[in-house]
Amino acid sequence: NAGVMQNPRHLVRRRGQEARLRCSPMKGHSHVYWYRQLPEEGLKFMVYLQKENIIDESGMPKERFSAEFPKEGPSILRIQQVVRGDSAAYFCASSPRSDPLFDEQFFGPGTRLTVL
Amino acid sequence: AQSVTQLDSQVPVFEEAPVELRCNYSSSVSVYLFWYVQYPNQGLQLLLKYLSGSTLVKGINGFEAEFNKSQTSFHLRKPSVHISDTAEYFCAVSATAGNNRKLIWGLGTSLAVNP
Repeated sequence: NAGVMQNPRHLVRRRGQEARLRCSPMKGHSHVYWYRQLPEEGLKFMVYLQKENIIDESGMPKERFSAEFPKEGPSILRIQQVVRGDSAAYFCASSPRSDPLFDEQFFGPGTRLTVL
Repeated sequence: AQSVTQLDSQVPVFEEAPVELRCNYSSSVSVYLFWYVQYPNQGLQLLLKYLSGSTLVKGINGFEAEFNKSQTSFHLRKPSVHISDTAEYFCAVSATAGNNRKLIWGLGTSLAVNP
């Protein structure tokens, strides 16, 4: 059973370009979480999605960021018009259900975004 | 609101020495606590969790943690570390927002095991 897959592992963008980060959850997992890790801020929750639904996006910046988890295919985190402050590691995690008490979140290896 | 404080950002230690990584939390409700480990260039992996019952929780790779409600702490310990334990360690507490639970994370502690 393959783990959570994220691609690309490294992504370099110039200011103003778009970044698209992909996450394929573990087989049988229908819940996906996106986190951003900044050196001085630790791991921050961004968004929680189920198939075709955004459940909690309280951690997402209001502008330029969006996320989706379509019925078929990976979850996508999209950042439009990137700025230098978007440079970070973005982690995806998946779980079979929504309750972190009883369902471990399995993390992917992350995508390291660098904005020049 | 729940929060997590990891008191040490970096912990250097020699191989085979004991180690304790400290974690304190604040919460006005019952808490559930977790420790995750992140090896270099990898994602996070669950080490152990406390939900209820015995306050001493044993995890993978020889780690254990003790839940202390009066001190609001959940410190991680290992009696003898290996070079391979060099990693970033994150403490997290569950939080409830509406119908959803999510994890609130500490800033992490970088454990460096030296030969």
